[in-house]
Amino acid sequence: DQQVKQNSPSLSVQEGRISILNCDYTNSMFDYFLWYKKYPAEGPTFLISISSIKDKNEDGRFTVFLNKSAKHLSLHIVPSQPGDSAVYFCAASATYTDKLIFGTGTRLQVFP
Amino acid sequence: EPEVTQTPSHQVTQMGQEVILRCVPISNHLYFYWYRQILGQKVEFLVSFYNNEISEKSEIFDDQFSVERPDGSNFTLKIRSTKLEDSAMYFCASRKASYEQYFGPGTRLTVT
Repeated sequence: DQQVKQNSPSLSVQEGRISILNCDYTNSMFDYFLWYKKYPAEGPTFLISISSIKDKNEDGRFTVFLNKSAKHLSLHIVPSQPGDSAVYFCAASATYTDKLIFGTGTRLQVFP
Repeated sequence: EPEVTQTPSHQVTQMGQEVILRCVPISNHLYFYWYRQILGQKVEFLVSFYNNEISEKSEIFDDQFSVERPDGSNFTLKIRSTKLEDSAMYFCASRKASYEQYFGPGTRLTVT
């Protein structure tokens, strides 16, 4: 089941710079997308979401962009901080289902 | 800030034994979920529960699995006869009417 893909397993960014995490999906029925952050031995923490009727949603340092024609979304973190170092998962949902479909995750490391 | 809690944090059991994983969802949430993550793999949906009944379940959620909301606060996942391949992190999640699901810290289940 590869409906949601995160093709970069890891990303390393310097503190203060922008982190861009990418996610692609194949199911055109998905209409809601979420980003979660996960530290080791903890559960996923909700960060930000976007509905398919929008192309951008912003919350503080986090912005999610959605390109429906390309079936692509991205999470921008500006400025990146060492505390942002974690695994980031994108997830998708559709109105016909109650479940979240997760990507494989991208490990972000923010170094000083 | 209200959180989803899960107990125990780690459960070790022998193959063939029954286990019950416990969750206390956020108090005003209406929808409840179980997910699991096998080491190195994606977070996978198991089951969703609403209005005291299962609303959706995955292929993984076979007759060996059951869920229950025995009172107004707890939500449990029972595995009747555990197998080695049931070893995973099990996450409980809950949500209100919006799409954002909030996850607990997880229970690490080790089947020996």
